[in-house]
Amino acid sequence: GAVVSQHPSWVICKSGTSVKIECRSLDFQATTMFWYRQFPKQSLMLMATSNEGSKATYEQGVEKDKFLINHASLTLSTLTVTSAHPEDSSFYICSARDQGRNNSPLHFGNGTRLTVT
Amino acid sequence: AQSVAQPEDQVNVAEGNPLTVKCTYSVSGNPYLFWYVQYPNRGLQFLLKYITGDNLVKGSYGFEAEFNKSQTSFHLKKPSALVSDSALYFCAVRDGNNAGNMLTFGGGTRLMVKP
Repeated sequence: GAVVSQHPSWVICKSGTSVKIECRSLDFQATTMFWYRQFPKQSLMLMATSNEGSKATYEQGVEKDKFLINHASLTLSTLTVTSAHPEDSSFYICSARDQGRNNSPLHFGNGTRLTVT
Repeated sequence: AQSVAQPEDQVNVAEGNPLTVKCTYSVSGNPYLFWYVQYPNRGLQFLLKYITGDNLVKGSYGFEAEFNKSQTSFHLKKPSALVSDSALYFCAVRDGNNAGNMLTFGGGTRLMVKP
């Protein structure tokens, strides 16, 4: 089945540094990938839609300059949390849909737990 | 606009008993409905989906869901719960008439299956 690989699975960084999270579709191509953020005991919040070869579309309230998204190929999207602060600590999950299959469900990565100290 | 409601924050059930996790939705076009399960510190795993056809959909791990258009519901069910089914369950909807792929998720329901 379709697999989405997300790396790293967890990361601890110091306040003010930047962290890059990778999302790869391993056995399918995805022109669109999605980045979600999940707070403890809460649902997923869509942060942005990553579009291959073009700019990402950000949801209202999400800072574009803080959460940089790059979708350079049909199998890779990256989310960079710039100048991280403790309030950025969260669980980040990416997802993608197999564009070669009609009505394919979204497949999710295993998530990245970011802790900013 | 589309939305999903999962009215129960938590569902408790004894092992071996049937379980139901409720979901209602609102969407302007054709509803494409999904259930996902999330284990601690993990991403979401796809369980099942309804796109068209039979209203009763069977999915992974013995789960099934029934699409009810008149009640705009898509409740998740399993005839006999296992302790290992304990997890967080999310219902999601997408407008099938919309070319975009965005899913809208419900708030999630924590399922606790006790031995």
